[in-house]
Amino acid sequence: NAGVMQNPRHLVRRRGQEARLRCSPMKGHSHVYWYRQLPEEGLKFMVYLQKENIIDESGMPKERFSAEFPKEGPSILRIQQVVRGDSAAYFCASSPTSAPLGHEQYFGPGTRLTVT
Amino acid sequence: AQRVTQPEKLLSVFKGAPVELKCNYSYSGSPELFWYVQYSRQRLQLLLRHISRESIKGFTADLNKGETSFHLKKPFAQEEDSAMYYCALSPLGGGYQKVTFGTGTKLQVIP
Repeated sequence: NAGVMQNPRHLVRRRGQEARLRCSPMKGHSHVYWYRQLPEEGLKFMVYLQKENIIDESGMPKERFSAEFPKEGPSILRIQQVVRGDSAAYFCASSPTSAPLGHEQYFGPGTRLTVT
Repeated sequence: AQRVTQPEKLLSVFKGAPVELKCNYSYSGSPELFWYVQYSRQRLQLLLRHISRESIKGFTADLNKGETSFHLKKPFAQEEDSAMYYCALSPLGGGYQKVTFGTGTKLQVIP
């Protein structure tokens, strides 16, 4: 089992461009979580998804950010019209069931987004 | 609302010295507490959870409901313990429960 995969690992975008971050959960996992880590700060929850459903998006900024987890393929975190303040590390985690009911979240290596 | 506070951004100790990483939480109900660790250039991984009451890599953590704390301790620090440590909380109960992370403490073990 390759674990949670994220790509790209590093992404550079100019202000105003779109950023697409991908997360492939571990095999057999149907729950995906996205977190953002700003410089010098801890992990901040953004969104929790199951296949084809957004369960909790209370941590998502109201504008420009969206997430999906289609029936087939990876989960996508999309940031439109990026600004310098979006520069951060974005981590994805997955779990086989609603964590933490006996199953912890397994984290990916993260995508480091730099907006120039 | 649930909140996790890790007051120290950086903790430096000498090899062989005791380690205590502080974590305080705020939650009105019954919490489940975790410690996650991120070694250099590796992904974040679960170190231990209070429910299992395990000792992992010599680390232990006791939930103190009176002081609302879940400090991580190890009697003798090793160089390989150098890493970022995150305390996390989730409401205890069935169904989906969001995990809230602290800001993290960087542990630096000096040889």
